[in-house]
Amino acid sequence: GGIITQTPKFLIGQEGQKLTLKCQQNFNHDTMYWYRQDSGKGLRLIYYSITENDLQKGDLSEGYDASREKKSSFSLTVTSAQKNEMAVFLCASSIQSSGNTLYFGEGSRLIVV
Amino acid sequence: GDQVEQSPSALSLHEGTGSALRCNFTTTMRAVQWFRKNSRGSLINLFYLASGTKENGRLKSAFDSKERYSTLHIRDAQLEDSGTYFCAAEMDSNYQLIWGSGTKLIIKP
Repeated sequence: GGIITQTPKFLIGQEGQKLTLKCQQNFNHDTMYWYRQDSGKGLRLIYYSITENDLQKGDLSEGYDASREKKSSFSLTVTSAQKNEMAVFLCASSIQSSGNTLYFGEGSRLIVV
Repeated sequence: GDQVEQSPSALSLHEGTGSALRCNFTTTMRAVQWFRKNSRGSLINLFYLASGTKENGRLKSAFDSKERYSTLHIRDAQLEDSGTYFCAAEMDSNYQLIWGSGTKLIIKP
């Protein structure tokens, strides 16, 4: 079986700082996603990518950048961290962008001080 | 309003008992997935349904696109079933998954 690895598990930064989360998958999946989870709420899609160098905006893309450098990796950048952005960020992948199971990483918690 | 309403938000069961979680949709969904978030924070895929029912061990899920709901039944609950359960529905019009707000399930001895 494959695995999705997110780094770091905890990302601590200052307000206004640019912070980057990384995600690697070895499923050889085409599509990768970044979701944000706030306490007591469902996941919200930030960005997704259907292939290398592709980038599609989700519902919550403002304030974020993403990059699909290669098929196996997808990074997410918080362009200017804010205290109300403290949440868990989840990376996922699937074979295609619809009709397929999503596989998730363990999450990265963003802490803004 | 929310397109996916998940209930209950929290549920406590004794070992050996069972119950059901439910997601109602305000629009037609193409498919639904159910996930469990474990103590390490990982989201584990439980079911993917485009219609009908699926069963896996002590879990059973149903999805009715026309009636706009999905259920997840747990029977003979065990301590390791504790966690937060999410449904996520795939919209008919695009790829996007719309997530429920989760059900926190606690299994007591």
